[in-house]
Amino acid sequence: EVRLVESGGDLLQPGGSLRLSCAASGFTFSHYWMHWVRQTPGKGLLWVSRINSDGSNIAYADAVKGRFTISRDNAKNTVYLQMNSLRAEDTALYYCARVRSGNVDAFDMWGQGTMVTVSS
Amino acid sequence: DIQMTQSPSSLSASVGDRVTITCQASQDIGHYLSWYQQKPGKAPKLLIYDAFNLETGVPSTFSGSKSGTDFTFTISSLQPEDLATYYCQQYHYLPFTFGPGTKVDLK
Repeated sequence: EVRLVESGGDLLQPGGSLRLSCAASGFTFSHYWMHWVRQTPGKGLLWVSRINSDGSNIAYADAVKGRFTISRDNAKNTVYLQMNSLRAEDTALYYCARVRSGNVDAFDMWGQGTMVTVSS
Repeated sequence: DIQMTQSPSSLSASVGDRVTITCQASQDIGHYLSWYQQKPGKAPKLLIYDAFNLETGVPSTFSGSKSGTDFTFTISSLQPEDLATYYCQQYHYLPFTFGPGTKVDLK
């Protein structure tokens, strides 16, 4: 079965750190660019970060630049999001998403999401 | 950043109705636009990519079109299982940006 499974979400205090993981299965993970997207009730869907297939091309949203780090381990079929200096406004459901093949940057597969809550 | 506006924010329709949602980009994004369906408690699902291409396995009752920087998403005949929130997304420029969503429910 083709799937993405996120994990690592938690409740933590402002200033804390967390690493999210997204495990892929059922497809050749190393061929695909991957993204993280977060969702809040108030701000909807917000793109967070992107990594290309070999990890050499990375981009971040301004809101997380300098605090979050995306990485991947193709041997483990996993993409990560290291989140440091967390703020209340980072509270969201975090999804990993796969970029569709064929030079189309739409997201054709999403995980179920993992919840991050930042609160004192 | 590219701003995506979507209208309406919500709509109520009957089974069998034709439903249309529009999305406008703040600048030219070419055809680099997708439409997603999200049901409560679920992740978004890709329906349309590159403005008008139907994703594999998606019913042909869904369609997309483009006119300049305006994009239209249509459900030709609304079914009960189509009740969801629909989002547009541009992927021409980073940061990729989403519209605020259109919630579709039954009248």
